[in-house]
Formats: sequence, structure tokens, C-alpha cells
Amino acid sequence: DADVTQTPRNRITKTGKRIMLECSQTKGHDRMYWYRQDPGLGLRLIYYSFDVKDINKGEISDGYSVSRQAQAKFSLSLESAIPNQTALYFCATSDLSDQPQHFGDGTRLSIL
Amino acid sequence: GQQLNQSPQSMFIQEGEDVSMNCTSSSIFNTWLWYKQDPGEGPVLLIALYKAGELTSNGRLTAQFGITRKDSFLNISASIPSDVGIYFCAGQRNFNKFYFGSGTKLNVKP
Repeated sequence: DADVTQTPRNRITKTGKRIMLECSQTKGHDRMYWYRQDPGLGLRLIYYSFDVKDINKGEISDGYSVSRQAQAKFSLSLESAIPNQTALYFCATSDLSDQPQHFGDGTRLSIL
Repeated sequence: GQQLNQSPQSMFIQEGEDVSMNCTSSSIFNTWLWYKQDPGEGPVLLIALYKAGELTSNGRLTAQFGITRKDSFLNISASIPSDVGIYFCAGQRNFNKFYFGSGTKLNVKP
């Protein structure tokens, strides 16, 4: 079983719809992250959380929100999806903030 | 915005050749990481570097933490077809979040 599981793996939806991407982990890590990957731009941080009561904005948080429901679960929401949010989204976890992050297999999101 | 410059953006090489890629920054980092991403999967950690000048190997892969703390290099020796993928560097300052390079896409011709 994967240590960091993202659902769904693929999603196609329409402009204006609300979408939630889910991430769960079995690694017991406190820190969780959401990234967006676009061709030629690498990984950009959307939001991160150091524990259940802690939520921090990353470099591109506009248009997104997150919820840390439990230590093992961190979900990303697009309240009203727009086409330029079409991208590959990754969840990651780490034990401490200076330790390497472990990534899920990604969610490919297409907004028409 | 983007704080790391990763080069080259892509490489086409013959099986058996050695590969070199690097990341540079105008800022000092205290941790450098190198990841590989296969199609349809998330990035997987290859090598972690925590000290300026550190040279670390993982099989045919060798990475170095630059002395200035503003750069890092990854070398792959005797490339094979399964080395194909996108390689990312990541750097961290002040034990805060990581910044990622834009990736080097490696193609290996058998």
C-alpha cells in the first residue's frame, strides 16, 4: 500500500464547479503539503500544514483552500474551478520541516 | 517566485553516457535534495545533502552540495534506459519550506 494516497487520480470537470482533492498518509508524519505541477514550472507550493491546527499559505494559494481533518488527512479544495487551474496536483508529507518530503502519485485535474 | 535555476531543461543521450545536471540559486540553502519523477508517478527522493561540500552517492548517482551553498550538482554515470524521467532539485533555507527547480527531462536512447 502506498504511504501517501491521493484521490482521485484523475478528474475532469467544468468551470465553476467545486472540487475536493484528498490526501491521506500512513507515515505518521506531522507535516503535509499540497503542490501544483505545470510543465516547465516544476512544483509550486499551494498550502502546507505542520499539524492539525496549523495551516499556512504557500506561494500560489489564491483560488484554493485546505482542510487538515486529522494528522493523516489533508484535503485541497477549489471553490470555483477555472481552466488555468488545470494541472497535476501532488500531496507530500515530511517528518520534520527540514526532512525530505514524500510524495503521493498525483491527481491530474482538467477543468473545461 | 521561482528561486532555483535548474539546467539543462532537457537532455537526449545515448545509453552508457554520463549525465550531469545542476541547480543554482542567488540565495544560500542549508539543504539540497534531488528527486526523480517517472511518468504517472510522484517524485521519489534520490539523494539528500545537508552540509556544504558534501558529496553523496546512491548507486550510479552522485550529488554534491556546492561550497558556496548556492548550488548543487547531480551526476549519473553509465546511463541506462530506466534512468529516463524528470529530475528535480529542491533547496531549503532556514528550515522552512522547500523550493523546487523546474526539472531536467532526461531521455536515454538504447
